[in-house]
Amino acid sequence: SAVISQKPSRDICQRGTSLTIQCQVDSQVTMMFWYRQQPGQSLTLIATANQGSEATYESGFVIDKFPISRPNLTFSTLTVSNMSPEDSSIYLCSVDRGRDTQYFGPGTRLTVL
Amino acid sequence: AQTVTQSQPEMSVQEAETVTLSCTYDTSENNYYLFWYKQPPSRQMILVIRQEAYKQQNATENRFSVNFQKAAKSFSLKISDSQLGDTAMYFCAFMKGTGGFKTIFGAGTRLFVKA
Repeated sequence: SAVISQKPSRDICQRGTSLTIQCQVDSQVTMMFWYRQQPGQSLTLIATANQGSEATYESGFVIDKFPISRPNLTFSTLTVSNMSPEDSSIYLCSVDRGRDTQYFGPGTRLTVL
Repeated sequence: AQTVTQSQPEMSVQEAETVTLSCTYDTSENNYYLFWYKQPPSRQMILVIRQEAYKQQNATENRFSVNFQKAAKSFSLKISDSQLGDTAMYFCAFMKGTGGFKTIFGAGTRLFVKA
């Protein structure tokens, strides 16, 4: 498995502001993934982030709202921009360690007022 | 497109007893992987068990085992000797064997283990 950390673990933000979530992995990985889990719901993939290239976004998610950076093979950030209460969710990053299995970070709980 | 269905929103089991969580999926792929993840109140997603579709033998991990029925597209999770720490949300998930690592998750089953 992988050791994955996320910062912050939780935050409360005001409408219209932006929050950047960091994801750090203990070893190099090719692909990192960002998921959203709305209250009481399942996980939905936001985007896949490869180092050195633009992130690939899933249907319903756009780069202007969820810009992603992937500066190296152990780190990625997800920004939630111009937030509204509907963005209140848990945001999780995950990685694949070569066994075609995703391992998840502890998640960031975001509340937008 | 692939779909994953968990028809049991909530279940409960007495400590030390056995419980089975159901999952069905739909795909036209022949090469894929299936997973059960556990999410306790701490919200950390933990991999419970993994099954490769090409393997006929059901995966087991200690008290956790699966009943994988490929033709029926069914993938149930059996938890034996249930413990209080098994209380969590359980998600069934599907990943194609080729063409990327996108994982599709079911809606989840909330399991309560009662003392």
